Amino acid sequence: EVQLLQSGGGLVQPGGSLRLSCAASGFTFNNYAMSWVRQAPGKGLEWVSSGSGGSTYYADSVKGRFTISRDNSKNTLYLQMNSLRAEDTAVYFCAKGRSSRAVAVTFDYWGQGTLVTVSS
Amino acid sequence: QSVLTQPPSVSGAPGQRVTISCTGSSSNIGAGYDVHWYQQLPGTAPKLLIYINSNRPSGVPDRFSGSKSGTSASLAITGLQAEDEADYYCQSYDSSLSEVFGGGTKLTVL
Repeated sequence: EVQLLQSGGGLVQPGGSLRLSCAASGFTFNNYAMSWVRQAPGKGLEWVSSGSGGSTYYADSVKGRFTISRDNSKNTLYLQMNSLRAEDTAVYFCAKGRSSRAVAVTFDYWGQGTLVTVSS
Repeated sequence: QSVLTQPPSVSGAPGQRVTISCTGSSSNIGAGYDVHWYQQLPGTAPKLLIYINSNRPSGVPDRFSGSKSGTSASLAITGLQAEDEADYYCQSYDSSLSEVFGGGTKLTVL
């Protein structure tokens, strides 16, 4: 059974940093693309970033501030978030891709989500 | 303003059929990129409902079906049930090098 267990998140001041983690199990982690998708309070879904192998992709809204990475030995996906802004406040979901391709991804399994609040 | 356009809400009585549209452009759906649909029950993570335009993951009832034509796609739900009340999102890829979602459609079962 595929499981994605997220941790991290919380309250951070504008300009601060935070790292989210997503521990995966139930599949061969390094064979699949992994992504982050966020949802601001009361709003829709917004793609943040995807990565597979040595390739990474970012939404324009987070490019240069967020970094997606993975530790295949620990089956864990990360999202390092720097220079956080109020508009980054959202529930962040990690999601598994249906294939190793990190472009035109189908998100077939999702983590439970973790809330990031950027406020002073 | 989402790249993919969905109606904010749809509704139907139990047993009825409803459809949710997803309208894109020549840089995403019209460029041949696949469309996927997700169901998000209140307070939970999204769940993949339809992938590659019309395919159902195992465990998804055949009451749910998807189609794609030109720059648009549709999700149809037949035999509407109370448990179908949720938010539904379409997703595709855009030539601007970005995954894109619709704004979401809230389905109310009357």
